[in-house]
Amino acid sequence: AQSVTQLDSHVSVSEGTPVLLRCNYSSSYSPSLFWYVQHPNKGLQLLLKYTSAATLVKGINGFEAEFKKSETSFHLTKPSAHMSDAAEYFCVVRGTGFQKLVFGTGTRLLVSP
Amino acid sequence: EPEVTQTPSHQVTQMGQEVILRCVPISNHLYFYWYRQILGQKVEFLVSFYNNEISEKSEIFDDQFSVERPDGSNFTLKIRSTKLEDSAMYFCASTTPDRESEQYFGPGTRLTVT
Repeated sequence: AQSVTQLDSHVSVSEGTPVLLRCNYSSSYSPSLFWYVQHPNKGLQLLLKYTSAATLVKGINGFEAEFKKSETSFHLTKPSAHMSDAAEYFCVVRGTGFQKLVFGTGTRLLVSP
Repeated sequence: EPEVTQTPSHQVTQMGQEVILRCVPISNHLYFYWYRQILGQKVEFLVSFYNNEISEKSEIFDDQFSVERPDGSNFTLKIRSTKLEDSAMYFCASTTPDRESEQYFGPGTRLTVT
């Protein structure tokens, strides 16, 4: 079975400083990994995905993530935070084919001026 | 850009009543899913649906729940007799036959059971 662990429930940064949201995964085979963002009272929007191609994945709004098999990690980063980045971020793993998504518990990103 | 739509955005119902949550997936998608998110908790998988039948369901998806694709465009989730603990945000998602594709989510229906 697949699972993901998001290591921080809350992360606080100042506007203009780097963002790091940590995620570790567990999977018995090569996983597909995703980061989704949820703004308050909104749905789930895909930020980026890893599906066994390049290990460094670039997404929308300047976010990127690196798949590290040796560390079983898929951390999300952004060089410079904007106020609009304040939201809940979910690391998600999927098994083969069209199986269900398994969500992490989420990390709430707080951005202060 | 095509998107998944869900109606209603908010549904309030009394305990024991039946509710139907509706979703219109993206038109060329063939795989459909329901997830739910209880307030303050993580998103949980309920059921997946392909070729007019359930392909996988979670322990949450008991006999009170059912899904249907009645007309080739809508995808519905029915809860036969709602309980207080069914109060949650329910998300519909869909995806294409491309194995590299992600799941596209609708905006959700907030179900409140009183």
